[in-house]
Formats: sequence, C-alpha cells, structure tokens
Amino acid sequence: AQKVTQAQTEISVVEKEDVTLDCVYETRDTTYYLFWYKQPPSGELVFLIRRNSFDEQNEISGRYSWNFQKSTSSFNFTITASQVVDSAVYFCALSEAEGTGRRALTFGSGTRLQVQP
Amino acid sequence: DGGITQSPKYLFRKEGQNVTLSCEQNLNHDAMYWYRQDPGQGLRLIYYSQIVNDFQKGDIAEGYSVSREKKESFPLTVTSAQKNPTAFYLCASSPRRLWDGYTFGSGTRLTVV
Repeated sequence: AQKVTQAQTEISVVEKEDVTLDCVYETRDTTYYLFWYKQPPSGELVFLIRRNSFDEQNEISGRYSWNFQKSTSSFNFTITASQVVDSAVYFCALSEAEGTGRRALTFGSGTRLQVQP
Repeated sequence: DGGITQSPKYLFRKEGQNVTLSCEQNLNHDAMYWYRQDPGQGLRLIYYSQIVNDFQKGDIAEGYSVSREKKESFPLTVTSAQKNPTAFYLCASSPRRLWDGYTFGSGTRLTVV
C-alpha cells in the first residue's frame, strides 16, 4: 500500500526565514509520481510541482525548491525568504504512474505553515 | 474558463438525514474524485471514477454513495449511516494520466447538527 508521511504538523517562522517541509513516502511501485499542493485559507488546493520517479533532479522555481531523494524516499520542499503570503497548509501526494492499480493520489496529513510578519 | 464547481459552499443538515454534495467539471476530464478533510488527517479518498457509469471505493467509502451518469458530474451522497459526517469535502478531476495531476474544487463544508 502507498503511504505519505508529513511529520511536521505545524511550523511557525518569521518572515524572511527559510523553511523546509518534509515528505517521506512508501510505495512498492517502481514508477510513480510525486506532487506538492498548497491549500490557502480559501480551501481550494493549488498545484505546485510534480516529479516522476525517474527524474531525481532538484528543481527551483523562484523562492521555492524541491529536493527529491529516491534513496531515502523523500521529496522535501524548501521556501527561501518566506513571506506572509506563504502561510497555508501544504500537502505532499503520491500515485503510481500507470497500470491497473489504484488510480488516485494518496495524500499526506499536511503541514500548516504560519509566517509571522 | 474551465474548472470544477462544488455547491453549496456551506451545508447544514440534521442528524439522520441524507445529503447530496454537487460536483461539476467542464474540463473534459475523464476521472473524478471525492476526498474528505478533517483537521490533522489530511485528505482521505472516499470514491473515485475513471469513466462514466463506473466508480471504485476509496479508503473511507462506508456511509457514502456516488453516481457517475455524466462525464461532467460526480455527486456524493452522505447517508445517515456515516457516523461522523461533519467535515470539509473536496472534489477533484484529472485527465486519464495522473501525471497531469488534479484540479480541485473549492470544497463544501458540511456540518451535521
């Protein structure tokens, strides 16, 4: 069975601090996809990034960066120079790539990030 | 603009009543999903559907029912058998390939009194 663990329930930082959100996953699939979503107070989840299990390159997008390490089954998310607008709940998610198994994303429990001014 | 519409945003029901949550998409996506969100528990999969007239149970299907008579619509009924129905319900859709990820609706907050 697939499982996603986000051990950090809540993180509070002061604006301009860097913060890393951890994500550890379990799967027996050899090919899979990983995602990060952001849930602002409005409630709707917003897609941030996806990663294929064959692509271990780290990615940077502005103040956001992602570190995918297959050897430790982790897909961590770092926000550099955090801003108040980054305050939200962040979810990591996993799915098998293709095939006849479960065709849906499995989500972690989420990490609530509060950025204080 | 294409998207997913969930209605209503807030819903109040008396204990013992069935209630149906609406989810409509105009993205031409094949697959649709229902998740339940409780504080500290993330999103848990209730039901999902890959094609019209077919759907599969997720991790917490007991007390819920769905139908998929049209590609655009995937309503969720919360029945009186659901022991603790108060929660935030999110609907999502995706193309057949999960690599394309989900598009989510804005959610329905159900409160049973």
